[in-house]
Amino acid sequence: QLQLQESGPGLVKPSETLSLTCTVSGGSISSSSYYWGWIRQPPGKGLEWIGTIYYSGGTYYNPSLKSRVTISVDPSKNQFSLYLSSLSAADTAVYYCVRERYSQKNWFDPWGPGTLVTVSA
Amino acid sequence: EIVMTQSPATLSVSPGERATLSCRASQSVSSNLAWYQQKPGQAPRLLIYDASTRATGVPARFSGSGSGTDFTLIISSLQSEDFAVYYCQQYNDWPPYTFGQGTKLEIK
Repeated sequence: QLQLQESGPGLVKPSETLSLTCTVSGGSISSSSYYWGWIRQPPGKGLEWIGTIYYSGGTYYNPSLKSRVTISVDPSKNQFSLYLSSLSAADTAVYYCVRERYSQKNWFDPWGPGTLVTVSA
Repeated sequence: EIVMTQSPATLSVSPGERATLSCRASQSVSSNLAWYQQKPGQAPRLLIYDASTRATGVPARFSGSGSGTDFTLIISSLQSEDFAVYYCQQYNDWPPYTFGQGTKLEIK
């Protein structure tokens, strides 16, 4: 059974860059059948898609975050990572990594348990 | 960007009764819509995709319908474990994928 697990710092200072990693177990990130993505959820609020990557490195980003986001993949470690720069308090959220089908029409399944990132000095 | 609007924001229903949740898209998304359930402190869980197909392991009391701009999630006989927040998501036109703001289903 495929499992995803986010890891990274729980506290980051304003203006700094967030770095999170998602480790995939129970399956290969190099599968040609799937994309891999990041979604976030501010405390008490709704869900926001951040971006998506294919194992070969192709990426799609939310236009609202595109100038600050980079997603990369490391097939040798079965991991993919999120980098979000110029952080502010508005970036405080639970960050989830997800799997998507390699298709034009994609839902998210499964999800990692999420990791809370707080942006504060 | 396609805007997804869910109603109501909060729905109070008694156990054993039927719950009807709505999701509307700002433009047609065909049948490219998913529903998720989120319990406190947990990640969302996929319930329905392609507007009406239940995900693996989802009980038959959950059903989805609709196409175009109007969609419905029905829970036919509420169990205690069904009280949660429900989100819809469109994947017809991306980037970006977009979600509704959620409907909180609470015990009456």
